[in-house]
Amino acid sequence: SQQGEEDPQALSIQEGENATMNCSYKTSINNLQWYRQNSGRGLVHLILIRSNEREKHSGRLRVTLDTSKKSSSLLITASRAADTASYFCATAPDSNSGYALNFGKGTSLLVTP
Amino acid sequence: GAVVSQHPSRVICKSGTSVKIECRSLDFQATTMFWYRQFPKQSLMLMATSNEGSKATYEQGVEKDKFLINHASLTLSTLTVTSAHPEDSSFYICSARGFTDRAFFGQGTRLTVV
Repeated sequence: SQQGEEDPQALSIQEGENATMNCSYKTSINNLQWYRQNSGRGLVHLILIRSNEREKHSGRLRVTLDTSKKSSSLLITASRAADTASYFCATAPDSNSGYALNFGKGTSLLVTP
Repeated sequence: GAVVSQHPSRVICKSGTSVKIECRSLDFQATTMFWYRQFPKQSLMLMATSNEGSKATYEQGVEKDKFLINHASLTLSTLTVTSAHPEDSSFYICSARGFTDRAFFGQGTRLTVV
């Protein structure tokens, strides 16, 4: 079942700017993951942050997690046109659920040259 | 990293026919596999969870007689859309989990029912 909510739903920025996307969720989690999806294509795993972590970096990506607020943010710095895609957060529940991920509704990012 | 291969990537079928989609974990044994469906401009919705050698667990609202899932081995799960109709047209994507805390996704299958 879907439990994540991303905002904004759509984001349009120029190359070089930073893009910030937020995700909120409802139940306790084991970890939270961010994925990218280009139009009509499969998912690309970007980063996984565990419930006991607060911040994680990977290249131009920075993810934060606030379990008290049940929220996460994804920051893409120095954006490029190739970053244009939909971005989804997905939570892995903190229970023996077989590890199915609950996906948010996604943020559609457009980076213009 | 672990590789999950999904086949076919695209399929067009006539209304009333059945379509089988395969999901293989290539370099690890998948104890659990998941099937998701994604309608255009929407998010991924979990359809079912399958464990090797046992019956799949379907999410509420997913018809198990229409979406047959078989997970006969630790490296292969199949989803068969039976008697497909245009409203079943969607993007279907599988993921597989081994013995770590990550699940790995296939490339997805675009199903178009005409």
